[in-house]
Amino acid sequence: NAGVTQTPKFRVLKTGQSMTLLCAQDMNHEYMYWYRQDPGMGLRLIHYSVGEGTTAKGEVPDGYNVSRLKKQNFLLGLESAAPSQTSVYFCASSYTSGGIQFWTQYFGPGTRLLVL
Amino acid sequence: DAKTTQPTSMDCAEGRAANLPCNHSTISGNEYVYWYRQIHSQGPQYIIHGLKNNETNEMASLIITEDRKSSTLILPHATLRDTAVYYCIVLAYSGGGADGLTFGKGTHLIIQP
Repeated sequence: NAGVTQTPKFRVLKTGQSMTLLCAQDMNHEYMYWYRQDPGMGLRLIHYSVGEGTTAKGEVPDGYNVSRLKKQNFLLGLESAAPSQTSVYFCASSYTSGGIQFWTQYFGPGTRLLVL
Repeated sequence: DAKTTQPTSMDCAEGRAANLPCNHSTISGNEYVYWYRQIHSQGPQYIIHGLKNNETNEMASLIITEDRKSSTLILPHATLRDTAVYYCIVLAYSGGGADGLTFGKGTHLIIQP
């Protein structure tokens, strides 16, 4: 099993450009998450999904959109990138049982994004 | 969620057992103790979790005191690749919706050759 994979690994954008980060998991997990991690700031939840076709906002959703068209994929979009979105982005997934969220989250390797 | 206290940093010799302590004196009865780590430039990695009993898996052992106010993560034979920041967090399971993980400062474990 590949676990959680992220594409691309690194990207440089100019202010105002758009891009999509792809997260894929092969563990049949219901829940998927997008986090950003800035130096000294820890993890912050951007958006999450509790199942195919459903998404919800996390702590810092502004400037991002997400889609979960397939259970195994969770896409994070930046419509108009800003320098403040320079960060490392991590995708994670976790299983659930009976609607109960479990805290064992499996993370991808991250995407390093630099917005100039 | 209950607050946790961990030492800022620790050293351990390669091949020895690394014992990482965590205090969680305000833990509630339904809260689990979880351990994650983050190796430099990598994504966080789940290690182990427990409620009351001691737990062991292929990565580590988790020892929880009888009063559940503290715990110790044990890496039995530390290697250089175990150098990372280790996070202890206490969390309750929830139904409906989802929450993100929030890490504190953690313990920077440095394995010395």
